Order: sequence, then structure tokens, then C-alpha cells
Amino acid sequence: EVQLVESGGGLVQPGGSLRLSCAASGFTFSTYWMHWVRQDPGKGLLWVSRINSDGSSTNYADSVKGRFTISRDNAKNTLYLQMNSLTAEDTAVYYCARVVDTTTRNGLDYWGQGTLVTVSS
Amino acid sequence: QSVLTQPPSASGTPGQRVTISCSGSNSNIGSNNVYWYQQFPGTAPKLLIYRDTQRPSGVPDRFSGSKSGTSASLAISGLRSEDEADYYCAAWDGSLSAVVFGGGTKLTVL
Repeated sequence: EVQLVESGGGLVQPGGSLRLSCAASGFTFSTYWMHWVRQDPGKGLLWVSRINSDGSSTNYADSVKGRFTISRDNAKNTLYLQMNSLTAEDTAVYYCARVVDTTTRNGLDYWGQGTLVTVSS
Repeated sequence: QSVLTQPPSASGTPGQRVTISCSGSNSNIGSNNVYWYQQFPGTAPKLLIYRDTQRPSGVPDRFSGSKSGTSASLAISGLRSEDEADYYCAAWDGSLSAVVFGGGTKLTVL
């Protein structure tokens, strides 16, 4: 069974940093593109970042470019999102998600339960 | 304001066919695949349609996707009360080098 479990969310002050983790199991993690998507409370979905299967290619939303870094450790079956210079606008539930198959870069068919990041003083 | 434009709300009665539209541009829908997601409050989104028209296993064939030019649509036939949810379209945008989502459509089953 495919499982994605996020961790690392919490309360952080403006300007602070946080690293999210997403532990994957039930599939060959090293062969799938992975994404981070966030959702402000009561709002719509906002794509954050994606990474290819071996970690050599990444993309970011303009709103996080230069502040967030996506990475992965295929030996540990874990996806990461390092978030720096956080602002109140980054407050959201952050989801990690897997693409639908190994030939696809987008189209997210498995999602974690989400982890809440709150940026507030 | 979202790059992809969806109506904020849609509604229908049980058994009806409802269509949700998603409008974009040549850099996203016009040149890349469209994806549709269903989300219930407090839960993670679920993929309904990928590569414009394909359904993942387990998604009922009541859900179908179509695309023409820079617009796409999600159709739900035989509407059921359990279809009441938020629906989002998404696509890769080559100009932005980013995935873009629509603002979401809240479907109400009357």
C-alpha cells in the first residue's frame, strides 16, 4: 500500500526556517517524480515545488523561489522541503504527493495527510 | 488570482449531468495535459482525471474529462450526493515552469 507521511510542521516565527519531511513507502520511491502542494486554511490549492526521480531537476513556484528547497534521499525513501525566510503568507497545510506513474511528471495520485505550518509571532 | 479560471460554484440535482470548466492559455492547457482533483473538507485531494481524459483505477466512469484548445472540462454524470465537494483543475505552465491550479469549484448537489 502506498503511503506518504509528512512531518515537521508547526509554529515558527516570521523570518524563521522549517524543514518538512515526507516518508514514502509501498512503492519504488526512486522512480517517481514528487511534489509539494500547499493549501491556505479555507482556500484553494497552490503548487509549491517538484523534483525528478533522481533529484537532479527541480522547479518552484515564484512565491517560494529562492526561499524553499526541495530535495530527496532515495536511500531513505524520503522527500524534503527546506523552508527559509518564512512569512505569514506561507501559513498553510503542506502536502507531499506522488505522480501517477513513472512516465509522468505531473498528475498527483497519492497524497500525504498534510502537515500544518503556521508562521506567526 | 489563479492562472487557470474555474467558476467558483456549480450545482445540480441527483441524476443530472454537471460540467465544470477550466480556462487557461497556450502556455498551460493549450500545450500540456490537464488534471482534475476532487477534495472533501479536511482531506487531501484525490486525482480524478489525468492526461486530459484518463481516469485512475477506482474512479467511476461517471467522471470524464475533455479538452479543446485552451479550455478543459470535467463532466460528472448521474450526479450523486456524495459528489458534493471542491473540484480543481491543474496543468503545467511552460512559461512559468510551474504547475498551475484553478481556483476551485464548489459543487453542490441540491
